Amino acid sequence: DQQVKQNSPSLSVQEGRISILNCDYTNSMFDYFLWYKKYPAEGPTFLISISSIKDKNEDGRFTVFLNKSAKHLSLHIVPSQPGDSAVYFCAALSGSARQLTFGSGTQLTVLP
Amino acid sequence: KAGVTQTPRYLIKTRGQQVTLSCSPISGHRSVSWYQQTPGQGLQFLFEYFSETQRNKGNFPGRFSGRQFSNSRSEMNVSTLELGDSALYLCASSFGQGMRARGTEAFFGQGTRLTVV
Repeated sequence: DQQVKQNSPSLSVQEGRISILNCDYTNSMFDYFLWYKKYPAEGPTFLISISSIKDKNEDGRFTVFLNKSAKHLSLHIVPSQPGDSAVYFCAALSGSARQLTFGSGTQLTVLP
Repeated sequence: KAGVTQTPRYLIKTRGQQVTLSCSPISGHRSVSWYQQTPGQGLQFLFEYFSETQRNKGNFPGRFSGRQFSNSRSEMNVSTLELGDSALYLCASSFGQGMRARGTEAFFGQGTRLTVV
């Protein structure tokens, strides 16, 4: 039973355009969400996060949107750059537990 | 500041053997978590240690175990290896304060690629 779902295994975007990566969750106990980026042969690196009390968080080119009623979050990258090509994982936390529940990841390819 | 270090990077073992993986967290981090990444299941939580105590455990069989030492370094052991245990094993460290404030999130190592033949 996948509690965090990333339904698009891959996404291709032209350089300079917007990349939108989506994530859905089913567990209403999740109260904090994170996005991690992973390059081949490296561990995931933290990108941006959002608390369930907010609906938007921005950090430079990266913005995460949270729609609690729809149990949906999205990561927007504007403008997309070739160096953004990586696998992006959505992850969630609930309560005081330090257990990250991850989605299956989306491979983003930014074409020059 | 050194990152999370996992050793070895690559490992090939035979079915039925056991294996021990090591993780050295970022200095000052007291929480160490282990995750298994496979193509079919994505990243799945194995267990978390904080101050030498297992605080949380994922849905894995008892063949998977771990421990944490007083210097926060952690080891993970898998006994009676099965072909399905082939995966990338990732260690993540954090201060252990809930991972919700900037700078307290989990930092991952590069992983140990285990292949069981």
